[in-house]
Amino acid sequence: AQTVTQSQPEMSVQEAETVTLSCTYDTSESDYYLFWYKQPPSRQMILVIRQEAYKQQNATENRFSVNFQKAAKSFSLKISDSQLGDAAMYFCAYRSGGAQGGSEKLVFGKGTKLTVNP
Amino acid sequence: DSGVTQTPKHLITATGQRVTLRCSPRSGDLSVYWYQQSLDQGLQFLIQYYNGEERAKGNILERFSAQQFPDLHSELNLSSLELGDSALYFCASSQPRVNEQFFGPGTRLTVL
Repeated sequence: AQTVTQSQPEMSVQEAETVTLSCTYDTSESDYYLFWYKQPPSRQMILVIRQEAYKQQNATENRFSVNFQKAAKSFSLKISDSQLGDAAMYFCAYRSGGAQGGSEKLVFGKGTKLTVNP
Repeated sequence: DSGVTQTPKHLITATGQRVTLRCSPRSGDLSVYWYQQSLDQGLQFLIQYYNGEERAKGNILERFSAQQFPDLHSELNLSSLELGDSALYFCASSQPRVNEQFFGPGTRLTVL
């Protein structure tokens, strides 16, 4: 079974600075997808960024980028120019690609609570 | 706004009772997923439906059941409720061959 580990329960960053959230995963599959979701105090789950395992290029969405290290099974999220609105829980998630008959379910890590200090 | 709707937003009930949570997926989405978020278990997958049929099951208790109707909305039924069932229940939906799941706002269930 696939597992996702987020080793940082809490992180803090100064406004306008850069912060990196860590995520590692365990799988025997070669076809899969990785995601970062943001959960602000409203509790809404918001997709931040996604990465296809077959793509070598790291995904980027505005101030958010990932460092995908497939061999190391590592998928970290970098937030640049942090803003107060970035304060939230961040969840790393894994999804099987389905090629090997895996489920489309998301497997989540425990989350990292990010605080942004003014 | 993800386009996924869930009702009710909040539900307070007593142990032993039965409740029904409702989810309407985004227009065009055939898959519906149910997840439970609790303090001790984190975010866990419960069950997936695709175009009316059950596609995958996760750690869903036997006291819980779900279905997806012809109009693609889904209901999650929780019966013989226990204190430990108190959690945030999310519904998510996705389109065929699209990897992203879009989440609804969740239903906060409190069992007293």
